[in-house]
Amino acid sequence: GQNIDQPTEMTATEGAIVQINCTYQTSGFNGLFWYQQHAGEAPTFLSYNVLDGLEEKGRFSSFLSRSKGYSYLLLKELQMKDSASYLCAVRVSSGNTPLVFGKGTRLSVIA
Amino acid sequence: EAQVTQNPRYLITVTGKKLTVTCSQNMNHEYMSWYRQDPGLGLRQIYYSMNVEVTDKGDVPEGYKVSRKEKRNFPLILESPSPNQTSLYFCASIHISGDPSYEQYFGPGTRLTVT
Repeated sequence: GQNIDQPTEMTATEGAIVQINCTYQTSGFNGLFWYQQHAGEAPTFLSYNVLDGLEEKGRFSSFLSRSKGYSYLLLKELQMKDSASYLCAVRVSSGNTPLVFGKGTRLSVIA
Repeated sequence: EAQVTQNPRYLITVTGKKLTVTCSQNMNHEYMSWYRQDPGLGLRQIYYSMNVEVTDKGDVPEGYKVSRKEKRNFPLILESPSPNQTSLYFCASIHISGDPSYEQYFGPGTRLTVT
């Protein structure tokens, strides 16, 4: 089976750093995606990791440990506009669905 | 510009009145799918298609139909909508051959209300 877990909700303060965790157990692994989704809008691509380690992209970084089935998304210098849901998704190598999504973490940034 | 389009963006209808939500992509993706998203439940896949004339049920297919007559189009049909189909719907497409780092693209969403 495919299982992806992430916290349901998180709250953080403007200007702070927040880490959103994702653990996965999937049949096959071809990389892990993070998407951002503002309320009522479509998910948009943030990052892709397939090798272990940290990928940095401006204020956002994503980390992967394949041996632990674990990833996190790190958001620095939080801004109010970062209030959104963050979806973890695994590209699997078997089955009929190429991308398996977690339920998402709703992040609220407060002043 | 690479994109997935959906229409309509908003729709209010009554129980039992057939409707179609259109979806089109311009990236020549093989794989297309429909999701519904409800509070606390995440994205749930309704139907998917791995290529032209190949469609199959996802996790929540009851009350929905799809077709894939052309590679670019993947309409979602509700033959007899009911209030429990009130939801936010997304069409999506992705390459399934080649580089797995290709992202999945989503349409802008269709907010459907069935009264």
